[in-house]
Amino acid sequence: AQKITQTQPGMFVQEKEAVTLDCTYDTSDPSYGLFWYKQPSSGEMIFLIYQGSYDQQNATEGRYSLNFQKARKSANLVISASQLGDSAMYFCAMREGDNGGSQGNLIFGKGTKLSVKP
Amino acid sequence: EPEVTQTPSHQVTQMGQEVILRCVPISNHLYFYWYRQILGQKVEFLVSFYNNEISEKSEIFDDQFSVERPDGSNFTLKIRSTKLEDSAMYFCASNEGRQPQHFGDGTRLSIL
Repeated sequence: AQKITQTQPGMFVQEKEAVTLDCTYDTSDPSYGLFWYKQPSSGEMIFLIYQGSYDQQNATEGRYSLNFQKARKSANLVISASQLGDSAMYFCAMREGDNGGSQGNLIFGKGTKLSVKP
Repeated sequence: EPEVTQTPSHQVTQMGQEVILRCVPISNHLYFYWYRQILGQKVEFLVSFYNNEISEKSEIFDDQFSVERPDGSNFTLKIRSTKLEDSAMYFCASNEGRQPQHFGDGTRLSIL
């Protein structure tokens, strides 16, 4: 079974609009971390935002916010006020056993390609 | 802001040859990783490294792969006898404890 599922292979959004990229996860570990990374066409992986399973509030970083619904096992990325430079692949990832001091490898989803239209 | 540095950015190698991919993690980070991304596919974990030894490896990381931290700054991935299916983008990442992993820009490996 997939541990990270991103059901949207591609998404379009109009510039300045908000967009939500979906991510669901599957784990039996009570301690885990959820991450979003951006991969532009140039190929690098850029960390965007992190949510810990025990965090009480949804994470926010500038125009990025994470809509964390623990009971539904979803961790959707919301990008507000989209910009042309937001066009990229977006990957959701999970790290199990995310208690303090644990490194743990990342498990990635297949990604969503976001295209921002002018 | 400190960053993970990978060299070379692109490596072209004949099938069967050995290749070494190099990474300089962020200086105060203790955990190091290699990931692989075959073109158009998701990123896959290869190996993690801590305290001068492998802490975890995936089933992809078979006997043809090895990692080393030869000095205080470099972290290398060696592929002993390359195959066509090793063609991919290889990412090095590092972090400190619970912090997010920071990725390098990747090395695109092309096997001919």
